[in-house]
Amino acid sequence: QQQVKQSPQSLIVQKGGIPIINCAYENTAFDYFPWYQQFPGKGPALLIAIRPDVSEKKEGRFTISFNKSAKQFSLHIMDSQPGDSATYFCAASRGSNYQLIWGAGTKLIIKP
Amino acid sequence: DTAVSQTPKYLVTQMGNDKSIKCEQNLGHDTMYWYKQDSKKFLKIMFSYNNKELIINETVPNRFSPKSPDKAHLNLHINSLELGDSAVYFCASSHSSSGYEQYFGPGTRLTVT
Repeated sequence: QQQVKQSPQSLIVQKGGIPIINCAYENTAFDYFPWYQQFPGKGPALLIAIRPDVSEKKEGRFTISFNKSAKQFSLHIMDSQPGDSATYFCAASRGSNYQLIWGAGTKLIIKP
Repeated sequence: DTAVSQTPKYLVTQMGNDKSIKCEQNLGHDTMYWYKQDSKKFLKIMFSYNNKELIINETVPNRFSPKSPDKAHLNLHINSLELGDSAVYFCASSHSSSGYEQYFGPGTRLTVT
């Protein structure tokens, strides 16, 4: 119930392609779904987040798509660049609960 | 003007030793966290403090003891270190009203030999 399942574990995309990372959850009480980006040797950093009453959110080249009925959400990166190579984590949180439930992470490599 | 800082960045020590990692945030947040990230990059919450009170204490060996002297600091003390403790430890902070938006420190890479 508390899990967030993330796939794929790793992804290699050519520059300019659109990598898609998917996450699924069970607990319908979750009400905030952030994505974090982590570069090697750094801590994760919040990239973009969405609430379940919105089906899509865009920030620059990053888009979250949210399917409430399927309990799934995904991250798309438009016009991907080698500088986007990082590990991406999806997560979910519930109200004022301080705990984020994390996906297992996706290592993304964008080839030049 | 680092937002969340941790010291040390690297820590190499022998099994059985006791070590501490310090964390400070200057963002005015009231909630702080310790995470462990293993070699497969999985992030595991260990502890969370809100206004110096422990609010999350996951299944972590009692060799790990967090201490929060004030809202801006959260330290982690580890007794009797074991090989399996080798990992990167991250401190993070957030406002309690937006716990999904956490700011992470640079991490402390702990290697136990």
